[in-house]
Amino acid sequence: TQLLEQSPQFLSIQEGENLTVYCNSSSVFSSLQWYRQEPGEGPVLLVTVVTGGEVKKLKRLTFQFGDARKDSSLHITAAQPGDTGLYLCAARPISNFGNEKLTFGTGTRLTIIP
Amino acid sequence: DAGVIQSPRHEVTEMGQEVTLRCKPISGHNSLFWYRQTMMRGLELLIYFNNNVPIDDSGMPEDRFSAKMPNASFSTLKIQPSEPRDSAVYFCASSPRGLAGGGEQFFGPGTRLTVL
Repeated sequence: TQLLEQSPQFLSIQEGENLTVYCNSSSVFSSLQWYRQEPGEGPVLLVTVVTGGEVKKLKRLTFQFGDARKDSSLHITAAQPGDTGLYLCAARPISNFGNEKLTFGTGTRLTIIP
Repeated sequence: DAGVIQSPRHEVTEMGQEVTLRCKPISGHNSLFWYRQTMMRGLELLIYFNNNVPIDDSGMPEDRFSAKMPNASFSTLKIQPSEPRDSAVYFCASSPRGLAGGGEQFFGPGTRLTVL
């Protein structure tokens, strides 16, 4: 059973457009992270959210943690080719307090067309 | 500062052979993680260590897989005997915060394993 479902699985859009990708679960999380992975490399952390309803911005990227801490979204404004990559959400279930084990989502593979 | 170092970057072997993957975590990090990534199953945690002690190995698929961390600067993941279904990219990651948890994991570049 996949704990974290991401949608869409694939997304291809033109440079300059806006987009939103989602990370959903039926479980409550103590914290949730978003990573970006480029071909041939390991994932790199973009942001960590810990409070229900929290919104964090990283330049053109806006991350939101759901009020119930079960879901999250990533919104990119004016997408650029450099945003191309695999976006992974990762979370620690609240029942795993004190355990560092992260569960990763299924991923959204984003392609920005110049 | 050097990041997480993994070797080899690519490994091609024949079914039945032993495979050893190596990882050097970032100096000063307390925790080390081994992951496997495939198109079908995504990124899966195999095992993680805290202060060189295995904490959670529930993701290790079967007895053919073993992992060791003899000291704070080195870990190995061994597959013996290897099978074609073990073909995947294996990542090592380290984290500075120990069991206090919640911190960033820093990933290595991965080892792409192909078992023929």
